[in-house]
Amino acid sequence: AQSVAQPEDQVNVAEGNPLTVKCTYSVSGNPYLFWYVQYPNRGLQFLLKYITGDNLVKGSYGFEAEFNKSQTSFHLKKPSALVSDSALYFCAVRDNNNDMRFGAGTRLTVKP
Amino acid sequence: AAGVIQSPRHLIKEKRETATLKCYPIPRHDTVYWYQQGPGQDPQFLISFYEKMQSDKGSIPDRFSAQQFSDYHSELNMSSLELGDSALYFCASSLGRDAPYEQYFGPGTRLTVT
Repeated sequence: AQSVAQPEDQVNVAEGNPLTVKCTYSVSGNPYLFWYVQYPNRGLQFLLKYITGDNLVKGSYGFEAEFNKSQTSFHLKKPSALVSDSALYFCAVRDNNNDMRFGAGTRLTVKP
Repeated sequence: AAGVIQSPRHLIKEKRETATLKCYPIPRHDTVYWYQQGPGQDPQFLISFYEKMQSDKGSIPDRFSAQQFSDYHSELNMSSLELGDSALYFCASSLGRDAPYEQYFGPGTRLTVT
């Protein structure tokens, strides 16, 4: 079955510094990978996806993710973090049945 | 742009009661998904519908049922509620069922069972 793992429960960065939220995947066949962000008491918001093509995917709010086949990773990155980026981030993979399987989530805290 | 609408946003029920959650997908989206997110947990897929037919089934308890109507809105019916059903229930919609299509999530319904 397809799955993703987020090895870090929490990531803390200072405002203005680059941020990375890690995700590794385990899939059979071509991976369809996604990143979602969840703000407190809000639904999940789509950030970006990887289907095929360029390994560097650009998404909303200045986020990007790099697909690395050899390392089976799909880390989320942003060159300069904002305090407003503080939220819960979920990596996800489309399962063979087309439903979404989420990682455990990583809480990002950006401090001023 | 129009987003996924869920109602109610909050719901408090007692054990053994029933609850109905509603989801209105983004206009023209034909696929609806239901997820359950327990406290501090990642969302778990429950069930999905494509063109008013059940498409896939995940970890949905037998006490729950769902359907998609002719206007593509969906309802999740939950009976014999248990304390463990307290969670945030998300609905998501997409245009098409196949893998490349991203899902857009509603704000969720927070169900509290007392």
